[in-house]
Amino acid sequence: GDSVTQMEGPVTLSEEAFLTINCTYTATGYPSLFWYVQYPGEGLQLLLKATKADDKGSNKGFEATYRKETTSFHLEKGSVQVSDSAVYFCALLTGGFKTIFGAGTRLFVKA
Amino acid sequence: EAGVAQSPRYKIIEKRQSVAFWCNPISGHATLYWYQQILGQGPKLLIQFQNNGVVDDSQLPKDRFSAERLKGVDSTLKIQPAKLEDSAVYLCASSLRGGGDIEQFFGPGTRLTVL
Repeated sequence: GDSVTQMEGPVTLSEEAFLTINCTYTATGYPSLFWYVQYPGEGLQLLLKATKADDKGSNKGFEATYRKETTSFHLEKGSVQVSDSAVYFCALLTGGFKTIFGAGTRLFVKA
Repeated sequence: EAGVAQSPRYKIIEKRQSVAFWCNPISGHATLYWYQQILGQGPKLLIQFQNNGVVDDSQLPKDRFSAERLKGVDSTLKIQPAKLEDSAVYLCASSLRGGGDIEQFFGPGTRLTVL
């Protein structure tokens, strides 16, 4: 069945470091791909999305490119801030319009 | 614009007891979702409503879980009787409509502890 695998956390970085959180997926057809973020004490919110191969989603300095050949959607940011500390979830929308989430990756950014 | 509202925020019950959660979606959103998020895992869809009809409840444990969405607005999720493994955060989300790449908006969740 369809599934999402993302790197285990926690990931701990110093401020201004480069961030990569890996995400790979298994799906039939051509799913849409998403990154959601959950800041401490808040609900999940959409960070960025891509709906077809080679699309790049971007928001708040974060980027992810839909790579069909490697079935990946890795999240990157060039320079993280303390305020980026959160849990990040990779997700896909199946052909049956069901969203499947990865297990989440917790990011800690130290000042 | 008000977000998705959920109550209660926290609930502690003993196994075999019953519990109900309430969700009020964003005004005008036709689609409503209930997710279960067990500690250390991503959210898992339990049920999806389009207006007041069920679109997908394939992962809802129907022997103990039930959900309804009266008049296509508010929704309640009930567990009766609860088991220890039901301890989780229950998330409600809504979207303008289902399908495609429509963004889901999530509420803060209800944290359930079953003792």
